Amino acid sequence: GENVEQHPSTLSVQEGDSAVIKCTYSDSASNYFPWYKQELGKRPQLIIDIRSNVGEKKDQRIAVTLNKTAKHFSLHITETQPEDSAVYFCAAIPWPGGADGLTFGKGTHLIIQP
Amino acid sequence: SQTIHQWPATLVQPVGSPLSLECTVEGTSNPNLYWYRQAAGRGLQLLFYSVGIGQISSEVPQNLSASRPQDRQFILSSKKLLLSDSGFYLCAWSVHGGRRSPLHFGNGTRLTVT
Repeated sequence: GENVEQHPSTLSVQEGDSAVIKCTYSDSASNYFPWYKQELGKRPQLIIDIRSNVGEKKDQRIAVTLNKTAKHFSLHITETQPEDSAVYFCAAIPWPGGADGLTFGKGTHLIIQP
Repeated sequence: SQTIHQWPATLVQPVGSPLSLECTVEGTSNPNLYWYRQAAGRGLQLLFYSVGIGQISSEVPQNLSASRPQDRQFILSSKKLLLSDSGFYLCAWSVHGGRRSPLHFGNGTRLTVT
């Protein structure tokens, strides 16, 4: 089955700086990679996703890049703000994609220092 | 639009007592349904998923069970709770057959077993 590794487990950056979270996956057939943000005590919410036919996707201050050859994908947050503080999860789903859904990384606790 | 309801939001139960958590989805038909558990400061552990009424797949052997009595209703149960059952329980849904479909989470139930 799929295995997703996520690094780092904790990331502290100064407000205004950029943050990068990296994930690797094991199944070369994986073709969909969403990122979730979970604020303390709340549910994970989808913030951005990328499909395997795309190398990069941006949405305002957030971007995701995908390297299929190396089997890794990354989340980039620019001009970080206090509200970006949360736990971020990457995930992957292989092709043909079972109903068992996504395989999640273990999460990255992003701390934005004022 | 689709919405997912999960209740109760918090629950404190003694060891050995039964458990019933309920989740319903509105605005979509025949969704895939999921139960996840999240221990404090940890990742997302898939417990059960369902692709249709009465169809339940278990990912982790434990004293929990799940049922899907109606198309958009998913129930998590236990006959006798253990201390280790404490955690944040999340229900989620995705599009049936949607191999590149994200998961949409409910607000979660925080269960404390005392």
